[in-house]
Amino acid sequence: QKEVEQDPGPLSVPEGAIVSLNCTYSNSAFQYFMWYRQYSRKGPELLMYTYSSGNKEDGRFTAQVDKSSKYISLFIRDSQPSDSATYLCAMKETSYDKVIFGPGTSLSVIP
Amino acid sequence: GAVVSQHPSRVICKSGTSVKIECRSLDFQATTMFWYRQFPKKSLMLMATSNEGSKATYEQGVEKDKFLINHASLTLSTLTVTSAHPEDSSFYICSARPLAGGKTSDTQYFGPGTRLTVL
Repeated sequence: QKEVEQDPGPLSVPEGAIVSLNCTYSNSAFQYFMWYRQYSRKGPELLMYTYSSGNKEDGRFTAQVDKSSKYISLFIRDSQPSDSATYLCAMKETSYDKVIFGPGTSLSVIP
Repeated sequence: GAVVSQHPSRVICKSGTSVKIECRSLDFQATTMFWYRQFPKKSLMLMATSNEGSKATYEQGVEKDKFLINHASLTLSTLTVTSAHPEDSSFYICSARPLAGGKTSDTQYFGPGTRLTVL
């Protein structure tokens, strides 16, 4: 079993839709959870950074962490074509630990 | 703020040659930088952690003599792929943790990546 799993997609949605992206993980010691957005042939860009279970909202983005289920989600409201990218979940045990990335989900938002 | 650059963005070389990739933090200092490798439609795989003024820490399975890392200053780390072969062709990405107020942030900022193609 891989440490972090993520549906690779591709996921295609119409503009304005609510997008739900998810990751599952096996290591119960993970405490810090991140979502990165990566455009084609570019480096990842940090979108959300959360600690432990709970929700965090930033504009159109909401991150949810359920440590009991080892499941994290990223919701994108009112999706835009500019949101088309690969979304990587990432996590680590301690704040200064190395980051473990999921394989990414490719998202296309169709105008 | 927190901009990381990489040079070159793209390089094509012949098998057997060495290639150097630079990673610079443009508007902050970083005692710790990371080097990742990414294959198409795959996740980022950490290759090594680079600490300014000391030897890099390599992940299991990464040949340190093949992937030479130097972190000579608080704003520059270099990765040299020695005697490159076609299987080394990949997307190499660096990241850096800002140093502010004498403390290293736990957030990483990524460079734009370098596409290496070995013929």
